[in-house]
Amino acid sequence: AQKVTQAQTEISVVEKEDVTLDCVYETRDTTYYLFWYKQPPSGELVFLIRRNSFDEQNEISGRYSWNFQKSTSSFNFTITASQVVDSAVYFCALSPNFGNEKLTFGTGTRLTIIP
Amino acid sequence: DAGVIQSPRHEVTEMGQEVTLRCKPISGHDYLFWYRQTMMRGLELLIYFNNNVPIDDSGMPEDRFSAKMPNASFSTLKIQPSEPRDSAVYFCASSGRRNTEAFFGQGTRLTVV
Repeated sequence: AQKVTQAQTEISVVEKEDVTLDCVYETRDTTYYLFWYKQPPSGELVFLIRRNSFDEQNEISGRYSWNFQKSTSSFNFTITASQVVDSAVYFCALSPNFGNEKLTFGTGTRLTIIP
Repeated sequence: DAGVIQSPRHEVTEMGQEVTLRCKPISGHDYLFWYRQTMMRGLELLIYFNNNVPIDDSGMPEDRFSAKMPNASFSTLKIQPSEPRDSAVYFCASSGRRNTEAFFGQGTRLTVV
C-alpha cells in the first residue's frame, strides 16, 4: 500500500520569508514517481514537479526547490522569498512504478503568506 | 491547448436526482482520471481509463456511480441516485503516455441537498 503524509496542516509566514513544506511517503515499490501540485483559492490543481525514484538530484525552479531524500522517504518543497501569490494548498503525491496512474495524494498543507 | 475542460463548474441538485458530470481531456492524452475531493477524505481516485478503456474502478464508492468514455475526447461520471454525502468537488485529469504528469480540470463542485 502507498501512503503520503503531509504533517503540516497549515503554515503561515510573512511575505519574503522562506518556507519548507514537508512530505513523507511510504511505498513497497522500488520504482515510483513523486509529485507536487498547487491548489490556489480558485480551486484548480496545478502541476509543479514530477520526480522519479532513481533521480535524487535536488531541483530548483526559480523560487521553488525540491529536496528528495530516498533514505528518509521524503520529498520536501521549499519556497524562497515567499509572495502572497504563493498562498494555496500544496499537495504531495505518489504513483507506483513508472506509471502516472493511481496518484495517491497527501492531505495537503495550506500555506498562507501574510503581506 | 485549452486544457482539461469540465462541465458544469457548479451543480446543485436534490437528493435522488441523476447527476452527470462531463470531461473533455487534452487532445492526444491516453489517460483520463476522475478524482473526488472532500474535506474528510481529501483527494481520492475514483476511476481511470487508458485509451478509453476503464482500467481501475476500485475507487468508485458504490453502484450508484458509473463512468464512461465513449471516445478519446469525452468522458462522463454519473451518479444515480444522488445523495447528500456525494457532495464534493469532482476533478477530471488527463495525461499522455506513461511517465508524464496529469493535468487537472477546474473541477465540478457538486452539492446534493
